[in-house]
Amino acid sequence: GEDVEQSLFLSVREGDSSVINCTYTDSSSTYLYWYKQEPGAGLQLLTYIFSNMDMKQDQRLTVLLNKKDKHLSLRIADTQTGDSAIYFCAELKNTGRRALTFGSGTRLQVQP
Amino acid sequence: SQTIHQWPATLVQPVGSPLSLECTVEGTSNPNLYWYRQAAGRGLQLLFYSVGIGQISSEVPQNLSASRPQDRQFILSSKKLLLSDSGFYLCAWSVGRDTEAFFGQGTRLTVV
Repeated sequence: GEDVEQSLFLSVREGDSSVINCTYTDSSSTYLYWYKQEPGAGLQLLTYIFSNMDMKQDQRLTVLLNKKDKHLSLRIADTQTGDSAIYFCAELKNTGRRALTFGSGTRLQVQP
Repeated sequence: SQTIHQWPATLVQPVGSPLSLECTVEGTSNPNLYWYRQAAGRGLQLLFYSVGIGQISSEVPQNLSASRPQDRQFILSSKKLLLSDSGFYLCAWSVGRDTEAFFGQGTRLTVV
């Protein structure tokens, strides 16, 4: 299977919480990232977590890492219409290859 | 502060024509540089990465090539474009071993 997997689509109502999930296969990954891509634009780094952490919170964003299950999630509290975008999970493997491996992205649609 | 410039923003090229996309980074030295491609509705695929001048690693066999003539310049080229080369091309940079990648705004290439 793919190195990093995400569900393709998520729809929520404005004000609700969004949870975007990601699974990865390489247990030696050192860092895991969440990027946001708005239509026609490049990728914007939202947050990242080091592999020895379980949780990281940054304002409305909460990242949870279950290293045993190789599962990463991004929770967006009080989701706004401006949060509508594609969200990419990425891992940095502990190899000589200094490049991120990305998931296929989850399209978040926020309904007003 | 560091910035990344990528151009052009959009490009329409006929099949069989050459391609040159340029990316430059400002405000940092000896960055790691990357070219990614995002096909429509798909995730990001790493095409090339470079850890120094003249050092290029190719991730997938393809119709494209990359060059790094200067420390902060990364060029993606093709001698003859194929229809399958259409996509959204993103340049990115990082510094050091365990840091995130920062992305340019992307070039949307349509081969007709």
